[in-house]
Amino acid sequence: EPEVTQTPSHQVTQMGQEVILRCVPISNHLYFYWYRQILGQKVEFLVSFYNNEISEKSEIFDDQFSVERPDGSNFTLKIRSTKLEDSAMYFCASRQEGPWETQYFGPGTRLLVL
Amino acid sequence: ILNVEQSPQSLHVQEGDSTNFTCSFPSSNFYALHWYRWETAKSPEALFVMTLNGDEKKKGRISATLNTKEGYSYLYIKGSQPEDSATYLCASRRRGTYKYIFGTGTRLKVLA
Repeated sequence: EPEVTQTPSHQVTQMGQEVILRCVPISNHLYFYWYRQILGQKVEFLVSFYNNEISEKSEIFDDQFSVERPDGSNFTLKIRSTKLEDSAMYFCASRQEGPWETQYFGPGTRLLVL
Repeated sequence: ILNVEQSPQSLHVQEGDSTNFTCSFPSSNFYALHWYRWETAKSPEALFVMTLNGDEKKKGRISATLNTKEGYSYLYIKGSQPEDSATYLCASRRRGTYKYIFGTGTRLKVLA
């Protein structure tokens, strides 16, 4: 069965460094998402992406964050200058068109900012 | 309500017991509700996508109902098994937005 993959599974970085989290969504999906979960808190929506542009973003998704789909298969989340509070589990998800369509989640990248 | 709330936060049941959890969500401009099963160290796995008031969906021993007018959904597990132990998440989406708002989840532990 097709699945969403994410790399790396874990990343440790120093505050102020840039990180890029990578996702390969399911190939015939059209909508792509990034979520995060800070330890002990809810899963939070960051951004949705459709037709090669951001369709919606949350208040969390400030200028430090960006997303790209550079080659038609990868979907990346870049954090330009990481802060301690960016430490979280980051999940990518994808789905097909339509309100009844399931979101498929990747296994997540655990990011630790020191 | 504007948030998505789930209750209880956690519960332990004996193997064979039936159980249910609640998800409350904003009823205005409702678009879709998703239920997920999330085991530790794995991806959230979709259980149901519900869009219509009165929807009832079933997958094996797990079923869910939806009331969009009052803004709640119930998830039922009949005859719980140890392998049902997981966190059950719901997520709501409102019309005119792509955003899914998640609840905090219900952590279920089924004791053998």
